[in-house]
Amino acid sequence: AQSVAQPEDQVNVAEGNPLTVKCTYSVSGNPYLFWYVQYPNRGLQFLLKYITGDNLVKGSYGFEAEFNKSQTSFHLKKPSALVSDSALYFCAVRDIGAGNNRKLIWGLGTSLAVNP
Amino acid sequence: EPEVTQTPSHQVTQMGQEVILRCVPISNHLYFYWYRQILGQKVEFLVSFYNNEISEKSEIFDDQFSVERPDGSNFTLKIRSTKLEDSAMYFCASSESKGRDGYTFGSGTRLTVV
Repeated sequence: AQSVAQPEDQVNVAEGNPLTVKCTYSVSGNPYLFWYVQYPNRGLQFLLKYITGDNLVKGSYGFEAEFNKSQTSFHLKKPSALVSDSALYFCAVRDIGAGNNRKLIWGLGTSLAVNP
Repeated sequence: EPEVTQTPSHQVTQMGQEVILRCVPISNHLYFYWYRQILGQKVEFLVSFYNNEISEKSEIFDDQFSVERPDGSNFTLKIRSTKLEDSAMYFCASSESKGRDGYTFGSGTRLTVV
């Protein structure tokens, strides 16, 4: 069965330092991978996706993620964190099922706190 | 940029009452979804919908839940008899293809059952 793991409940980083939010996945076949961000009391905002092609994907707000097939990982990164990046981050993989089942399978989320 | 619109943003209802959550997906999208999230926790899949029928539903999506696309633009989630544990944020999403182009989420409806 397809699954996504975000091994860290919380990540703390100082403003200006690089940040990494980890995600690993388990899926048969080629994965479609996504990162979403959720600010307090807000909806789910798309950050970036990997479908195919270049393993380094660039997304919104200066975020990027690296797809690593051998390690089955899709870690989210940013070179220099901002206090405003503090939010809940979700990794998700598209389900690969028969027919038209194309739901997203979600990680549990990682709370990122950027300290000034 | 096209958006998925959800109404209302917040609904308070008494236990046992019926609620209808409304969504207007992006107009050229063909695949529609409902997810829920309890108190900033994990996002849970409820149901997917394509070609005017349910493609898949989760264990959460029991007989109390139903979805409908009544007029070609709206996509609704109905909960017939709400329970306290239905209190959550409900997100509607749509996609053009089978996810290759991504999924667009609405801003959610916060349902509070009292």
